[in-house]
Amino acid sequence: DAKTTQPPSMDCAEGRAANLPCNHSTISGNEYVYWYRQIHSQGPQYIIHGLKNNETNEMASLIITEDRKSSTLILPHATLRDTAVYYCIVSRFGNEKLTFGTGTRLTIIP
Amino acid sequence: GAVVSQHPSRVICKSGTSVKIECRSLDFQATTMFWYRQFPKQSLMLMATSNEGSKATYEQGVEKDKFLINHASLTLSTLTVTSAHPEDSSFYICSAPQYNEQFFGPGTRLTVL
Repeated sequence: DAKTTQPPSMDCAEGRAANLPCNHSTISGNEYVYWYRQIHSQGPQYIIHGLKNNETNEMASLIITEDRKSSTLILPHATLRDTAVYYCIVSRFGNEKLTFGTGTRLTIIP
Repeated sequence: GAVVSQHPSRVICKSGTSVKIECRSLDFQATTMFWYRQFPKQSLMLMATSNEGSKATYEQGVEKDKFLINHASLTLSTLTVTSAHPEDSSFYICSAPQYNEQFFGPGTRLTVL
């Protein structure tokens, strides 16, 4: 699986949009971009995934660049409960083993 | 969404004893489950892939005789840490896939004294 690079930490004010970047310059054509988050002392939670088109669900939006070498996860109106470590993972299939990088520790500030 | 449970949520044991951790998919069947380990302030590290009806596949560096995995049914996988030592103290997390998502259990915190 391709490797991903994320900033180690970010802060965002409550109520503002949180934009989390991810670089995956070696991504293959058949690999998806997945985002998971892990709130302290809990198991990770699936957020969203995409191949090449932008995706949106009730939790977030995923913007993937046209060359697919990077992506941005957007939490439109961050709340304190969004404080977590966010992992960007590249994988061919969502049902196979996942390789977690170091992720981005997002802190929402009141 | 699908739910994965783990039991126990936390366990404290003496050095040299064995500890069993259960991972259950509550409302779906999973022929494959994954076991991860997470040390403080670190990311999740995959330990092994649990396969229903066959042997588990272990990642490089993970001792299969120390971390016994049994996937006895389509909804249950167990991880047994044998002869646990303080360095085995960690947060153990399982996951089960459904469609294009992985559903993670809440984790089991193991402390070996």
